[in-house]
Amino acid sequence: DGGITQSPKYLFRKEGQNVTLSCEQNLNHDAMYWYRQDPGQGLRLIYYSQIVNDFQKGDIAEGYSVSREKKESFPLTVTSAQKNPTAFYLCASSSRDRGRPFQPQHFGDGTRLSIL
Amino acid sequence: SQQGEEDPQALSIQEGENATMNCSYKTSINNLQWYRQNSGRGLVHLILIRSNEREKHSGRLRVTLDTSKKSSSLLITASRAADTASYFCAKTHAGGTSYGKLTFGQGTILTVHP
Repeated sequence: DGGITQSPKYLFRKEGQNVTLSCEQNLNHDAMYWYRQDPGQGLRLIYYSQIVNDFQKGDIAEGYSVSREKKESFPLTVTSAQKNPTAFYLCASSSRDRGRPFQPQHFGDGTRLSIL
Repeated sequence: SQQGEEDPQALSIQEGENATMNCSYKTSINNLQWYRQNSGRGLVHLILIRSNEREKHSGRLRVTLDTSKKSSSLLITASRAADTASYFCAKTHAGGTSYGKLTFGQGTILTVHP
């Protein structure tokens, strides 16, 4: 089945540690996104990538980094500079079809990150 | 900010009743999408309505868009306990790219009692 796989489901970070969240999709989508969701809140965009080897900052990029070396993969690193990393992180992807713009986004089931 | 408001923040109804959720926004949009999120899971796309459309239907879902009032509503008819979830509206900015950014509202928590 096609979809988006996020791993791990739960992750714990120690002070001063960088951690990397994995996101893999087999939907052949060009665009991929990372969101952060805090309890009772909507989603806020961290980074997005429209094509391999290119990505742009979203609304809350400070303390995070990404890479897009393969179409299928868009890992997110939460660095030690992110002082409040406890949140639910969601990865999404969408197709890039100019004949049908504004395609819906498909989401993974998230990674819950907590501080030890 | 493009982030709109959703109301109500929480809605509790009985099975069989209709549920209506509203979403407002501040600046022009290209389209508006509704998503559903079950507790602890990712979001699932429900329906997309473009700025030149006024109403769309999908099964028991009906979405309306009023660009003059900068608002949209999602109606779920004959609700079921399985409809219990959070519902989010998300806007694509006017002038955005075809694979562009979505701005999400805060969501409405819907609880449907059996």
